[in-house]
Amino acid sequence: KAGVTQTPRYLIKTRGQQVTLSCSPISGHRSVSWYQQTPGQGLQFLFEYFSETQRNKGNFPGRFSGRQFSNSRSEMNVSTLELGDSALYLCASSLGDRDHYEQFFGPGTRLTVL
Amino acid sequence: AQSVTQLDSHVSVSEGTPVLLRCNYSSSYSPSLFWYVQHPNKGLQLLLKYTSAATLVKGINGFEAEFKKSETSFHLTKPSAHMSDAAEYFCVVSEGGGSYIPTFGRGTSLIVHP
Repeated sequence: KAGVTQTPRYLIKTRGQQVTLSCSPISGHRSVSWYQQTPGQGLQFLFEYFSETQRNKGNFPGRFSGRQFSNSRSEMNVSTLELGDSALYLCASSLGDRDHYEQFFGPGTRLTVL
Repeated sequence: AQSVTQLDSHVSVSEGTPVLLRCNYSSSYSPSLFWYVQHPNKGLQLLLKYTSAATLVKGINGFEAEFKKSETSFHLTKPSAHMSDAAEYFCVVSEGGGSYIPTFGRGTSLIVHP
């Protein structure tokens, strides 16, 4: 069974631009979560989508948004990029039910904002 | 509210000696607890999880952890360290109660000396 895939693996953008990251979950997984990882703040939860609906949301500004498609693939968008948005963005998928919340992580997208 | 504290930011051991990575948690509900490992430039991999079954949990690669409710701890151990164990380790709590937003510890960097 293929693992979680994220594209692209690396991105360089400039301040003010916007960016879209993509995540394909493990087949059969309906939940996709996004995380931001930085040296200063560690791993922080952005949001979770389950069956095309945002089910949980972390404490990030509205510039960070996401969506999930009917095939469970998910995209994350960051608008008006700031230098502080430079980070490794991780996607994780799971079955998403109450008894099986084990998450499987992708390799991440490294975003650099100049 | 839930929180997790990894008591050591760095742990250094010699190959062949025991490993102990400490984690304390706080939760208003009966939590699920996880340990993940992250090798450089890779995503996170689940080592083991506790979900209210046996308090001693065995994971992959010889790791295990013991859930101690009275001490609110979930320490990760391994009898004998291997060079390939050098990585970042994250303790994670997810407390349920309608919200499955996981909280990650800040991570412990395990250094293994030959």
